[in-house]
Amino acid sequence: AQTVTQSQPEMSVQEAETVTLSCTYDTSENNYYLFWYKQPPSRQMILVIRQEAYKQQNATENRFSVNFQKAAKSFSLKISDSQLGDTAMYFCAFMRNPLFGNEKLTFGTGTRLTIIP
Amino acid sequence: EAQVTQNPRYLITVTGKKLTVTCSQNMNHEYMSWYRQDPGLGLRQIYYSMNVEVTDKGDVPEGYKVSRKEKRNFPLILESPSPNQTSLYFCASSPSAGGPYEQYFGPGTRLTVT
Repeated sequence: AQTVTQSQPEMSVQEAETVTLSCTYDTSENNYYLFWYKQPPSRQMILVIRQEAYKQQNATENRFSVNFQKAAKSFSLKISDSQLGDTAMYFCAFMRNPLFGNEKLTFGTGTRLTIIP
Repeated sequence: EAQVTQNPRYLITVTGKKLTVTCSQNMNHEYMSWYRQDPGLGLRQIYYSMNVEVTDKGDVPEGYKVSRKEKRNFPLILESPSPNQTSLYFCASSPSAGGPYEQYFGPGTRLTVT
């Protein structure tokens, strides 16, 4: 079974600074997908960024980028120029290649990020 | 607006009283799924459905039932709720068909069983 570990339960950073959230995972699969989801106080789950394991290039979405190290099974999220609206719980999630239909996301336990004005 | 809706958003009930949490999506998605979120555990999959009349268990299916009679709806049924089912529940949907496997989540349902 796959497991996802987020070793930082809480983090805080000053507004406009850069912060990196760590995530490691365990799998014997070769093809899979990795995601970062954001959950603000509204509780809505919002997709931040996605990475396909077969792609070597790290995914980037505006101020959000990942450092995907497949051999190390590491998938960290970097938030640049952090904003107050980035305050949220962040979840790392793993999806094995859904060849047989179940697109199950295996989630880590989350990192609560607070942006300080 | 493309969205996943859940009702009710908040529910307080008593042990043993059957309840249904509805989930509906207007994006013609094939895949739908239910998760529960508990502190310190992240989100865990309860049930999923690949299409109409096709459902299967996730990681924590005990005490829950689902049905998929229409493509847009995927209700979660608790026949005899117990306090350990107190949780935050999310419905999610995905277009499937080869990717990119982006799941759209509903707003969540906070359930308290006393």
